[in-house]
Amino acid sequence: SQQGEEDPQALSIQEGENATMNCSYKTSINNLQWYRQNSGRGLVHLILIRSNEREKHSGRLRVTLDTSKKSSSLLITASRAADTASYFCATVTSGSARQLTFGSGTQLTVLP
Amino acid sequence: EPEVTQTPSHQVTQMGQEVILRCVPISNHLYFYWYRQILGQKVEFLVSFYNNEISEKSEIFDDQFSVERPDGSNFTLKIRSTKLEDSAMYFCASRQEGAMNTEAFFGQGTRLTVV
Repeated sequence: SQQGEEDPQALSIQEGENATMNCSYKTSINNLQWYRQNSGRGLVHLILIRSNEREKHSGRLRVTLDTSKKSSSLLITASRAADTASYFCATVTSGSARQLTFGSGTQLTVLP
Repeated sequence: EPEVTQTPSHQVTQMGQEVILRCVPISNHLYFYWYRQILGQKVEFLVSFYNNEISEKSEIFDDQFSVERPDGSNFTLKIRSTKLEDSAMYFCASRQEGAMNTEAFFGQGTRLTVV
């Protein structure tokens, strides 16, 4: 698989349920970031987790990182219809400019 | 809250024409990026820019592409002779210098349609 592959590709849940999205990557990273994109809109930064961190919380978001397995997960608790969007993980590897390498994303649909 | 702004939001151009996509990064940021997203596909890195020169670029960023920071605020992406396959959403992003663990802020994007 390519750097930053998410699964599932699509996820449909009921409002109030938790949503879990996974991301796998191949190379060593400096950090991993999760972004959200509403249809046809820009990318909104959600959370950044450093390579030496294992878990991070921000509001209803919980991100884990397992560098031994080269994987990360994003958990959205108590989902709302407004959480409907595409979610991308993006890794920062080596290089002076530290650009992001994005995965293909998970399309989350939260049904009211 | 400071934000990255991009203009235009949508550009339609004829194949072979030149286009310039404009971005105003956040004022105290020093790293600038262009990414693109072909409809339904992943976001792809094009180029990064720092200290008035290209830092890194991807294979997509060939001789048809160029970037410029003509003044203290604008950051532009030029495509010299557009092709149909250049149709995509183009995102500008900026980041503060300093610690590697800083987030990139993205603009809302310019949807480029080549006909």
